[in-house]
Parts: sequence; structure tokens; C-alpha cells
Amino acid sequence: SQTIHQWPATLVQPVGSPLSLECTVEGTSNPNLYWYRQAAGRGLQLLFYSVGIGQISSEVPQNLSASRPQDRQFILSSKKLLLSDSGFYLCAWRAGSSNQPQHFGDGTRLSIL
Amino acid sequence: AQTVTQSQPEMSVQEAETVTLSCTYDTSESDYYLFWYKQPPSRQMILVIRQEAYKQQNATENRFSVNFQKAAKSFSLKISDSQLGDAAMYFCALYGGATNKLIFGTGTLLAVQP
Repeated sequence: SQTIHQWPATLVQPVGSPLSLECTVEGTSNPNLYWYRQAAGRGLQLLFYSVGIGQISSEVPQNLSASRPQDRQFILSSKKLLLSDSGFYLCAWRAGSSNQPQHFGDGTRLSIL
Repeated sequence: AQTVTQSQPEMSVQEAETVTLSCTYDTSESDYYLFWYKQPPSRQMILVIRQEAYKQQNATENRFSVNFQKAAKSFSLKISDSQLGDAAMYFCALYGGATNKLIFGTGTLLAVQP
């Protein structure tokens, strides 16, 4: 069966520090991968998605970047965090077939001090 | 552009009663899919139910069912025999095949009263 792992679960970082959140999927190949951010009590904002290795689509211009160095690995990064980067970050994957739902990781709670 | 609208920010239901959460959407795609996700306080996103637009029959998963009105672009979720564990934020989502993206509504926070 397919599983998605996202870490860390919680992260507290000072303003101006770098960021690296990692997401890996097991049990499938060539998944579509997604990074979302969710502010407290709000909906999900799509940040990046990838349909293949090295292919990244950015939805919102911002302080973050994403990379997909391997088929089942998706990394969210920042060189210098801002206070506004605080939030709950969710990684998701979806099989290539269009009728398949997205499956989500457990999320990372990021607090910027 | 594709949009998903959930007009009920909060809903409340008594335990064992039935509640319906509303969702409307807009898309120019002829081939699309609709989903309801549940996000409990743990903040995990859990798939509740899905509906293929080409299917006329409404999807059902145990106590959860949908009322899919394609012409009206409406996709409501009915929860029967509500349980305390159903308390969560519920998100309606639309997938249009050409976009590779899932568009979410803003969510409905459901409270279940004992």
C-alpha cells in the first residue's frame, strides 16, 4: 500500500533562518506531488506541485521554493524565513489517473519567532 | 477558472441527527471529479467521499452520501446518524483533469453536540 511521510511534525524557527521540509511517498511511482499551506482556521493554499522529477509549478510568488530531486521526494525550502511563513504545511500525492484523490501527509506546524 | 464555494462557515448538529453541508462549484471542464475531505483537530486531511462528474448516481460511503446536482453545479454532503467523531472541518474540492490541481473550498466547521 502507498504511504506518505512528512517531517518534521513541528518546527520553530527564527526569522531569517533557512527552512527545509521533506516529504516522501512509498508504494507508488511517478506520483503527482503537492505542497499546501494552511493558515489557522483557513482553507488550503496550493504552493507548488510537481508532475515529475525536476518539474515544479509555482502557484504563488513567495519566499519559498520547492524541489523534486527524486521521483518520490518533494522538498519545500526557504533561504530566509519571514514571520508570514508561519502556518501548517501539508504535502500530498496523487496517482497519475485523473479520478484518483489526493492523499495527504500529517503536516508540519511551522512557527516563526 | 475553477472555483469552489462553501457558504456555511460553521454548522452544528445533535448526535444521531442528520446534517447537510453545502458546496457549489464552477468549472469549464467536461471531465471533472469532486471530493469531500475531513480535517479533525489533529489536522490530518482525510478523504471522505468522491464523485465522478460523469456518473449520475450519487456516491455513498456508509453514513456519508452526496447530493450531486450537475446542472446546478452543486455537491452537498449528507452525514447521517452523526457521531462525536464527525466533528471536524469539512472541505469540498474539485479536480479538473486538465489542470493537475485540486481546488478547495474554504471549509465548513462542523460541531456535534452530545
